Amino acid sequence: AQKVTQAQTEISVVEKEDVTLDCVYETRDTTYYLFWYKQPPSGELVFLIRRNSFDEQNEISGRYSWNFQKSTSSFNFTITASQVVDSAVYFCALSERHFGNEKLTFGTGTRLTIIP
Amino acid sequence: EAQVTQNPRYLITVTGKKLTVTCSQNMNHEYMSWYRQDPGLGLRQIYYSMNVEVTDKGDVPEGYKVSRKEKRNFPLILESPSPNQTSLYFCASSQAGVAGSPLHFGNGTRLTVT
Repeated sequence: AQKVTQAQTEISVVEKEDVTLDCVYETRDTTYYLFWYKQPPSGELVFLIRRNSFDEQNEISGRYSWNFQKSTSSFNFTITASQVVDSAVYFCALSERHFGNEKLTFGTGTRLTIIP
Repeated sequence: EAQVTQNPRYLITVTGKKLTVTCSQNMNHEYMSWYRQDPGLGLRQIYYSMNVEVTDKGDVPEGYKVSRKEKRNFPLILESPSPNQTSLYFCASSQAGVAGSPLHFGNGTRLTVT
């Protein structure tokens, strides 16, 4: 069975600090996709990034960066120079596709609080 | 604007009173799905649909029904709600047949069953 572990339940950092959110996954599939979603206090789920299992290049988007390492089954997310608007719950998710079902297996989320 | 629309956003009901949460998407997506979010458990899939008239169970389908009579709509039905169905519900859609296509989520429906 597929599994996603986000061991950090809650993290608090002072504004402008860098913070890394950890994600470890388990899968037997050779082809899979990993995602990060953000859930701000308003409750909606916002797609941040998708990474496929064949692309281990790190990605940077502004203050956000992602580090994908197949050797350790990790897909970590770093926010540089954090801002109060980054306060949210962040979910890591793994996509499995069985018989057409594009199901996402989610981690339990990390609640990030940025202290002004 | 491309979006998934759920209604209502908040719903309080009593045990046993049938309810329906509506979901509609305007992106012509074939694939739609329902998830529930509970503290400490993340999001879990309830039901999914690969196309019109094609639905199947996810990981936690007990106590729920769905239908897919039109491509854009995928309502979630609770025939006899119980307090353990108090949760935050999300509808989602994506392009079928495109591996790794991101799920687009609605804004959520917070359901309380007393």
